Amino acid sequence: NAGVMQNPRHLVRRRGQEARLRCSPMKGHSHVYWYRQLPEEGLKFMVYLQKENIIDESGMPKERFSAEFPKEGPSILRIQQVVRGDSAAYFCASSQGQGREQYFGPGTRLTVT
Amino acid sequence: AQSVTQLDSQVPVFEEAPVELRCNYSSSVSVYLFWYVQYPNQGLQLLLKYLSGSTLVKGINGFEAEFNKSQTSFHLRKPSVHISDTAEYFCAVSASGGTSYGKLTFGQGTILTVHP
Repeated sequence: NAGVMQNPRHLVRRRGQEARLRCSPMKGHSHVYWYRQLPEEGLKFMVYLQKENIIDESGMPKERFSAEFPKEGPSILRIQQVVRGDSAAYFCASSQGQGREQYFGPGTRLTVT
Repeated sequence: AQSVTQLDSQVPVFEEAPVELRCNYSSSVSVYLFWYVQYPNQGLQLLLKYLSGSTLVKGINGFEAEFNKSQTSFHLRKPSVHISDTAEYFCAVSASGGTSYGKLTFGQGTILTVHP
């Protein structure tokens, strides 16, 4: 019974490159959430998606960040033209439905050099 | 909008002693409440949840929490801690409806350190 899977676990990008973070939810879960953990800011909500739909993107930065959860395949969090301030741990969580408990993946640790 | 305050950033305790990690929340709507634990360089593991019903909820690893609506608190307790409980603990809240329904708002975390 696989849990939430994220890859890669560690990602190093130079300033200006693109970062793609992948998340496969638990089996039977169709709701995916992305959170970012910064050392001085704690865990912050970014975006909530259901298959092919963005439900809530109130936590997403207005520029350079996008997310998708296609009908087939994992959810993708995409960061264009990365900057040093994007260095953080990015966690994906999934749930069976809205408001249900969320189960977290191991995270992707992004380092921008 | 919801907010969560974890009153202690660090809690040191000796092995086999009891511990309480404090959490207060603020919300204009009804909420669901959660406690998660994070071990170094790992993801978050759900300890317990309050959705409705009994205000005393029991979770994994011997932890329990009590929902107090009048005091807007959801403190986490364990009667006897082990070295392996050393980790960071996060309290989180989710609105039970409305535009914020679904997303979690986290407290700043409490680092529990259990000494032998």
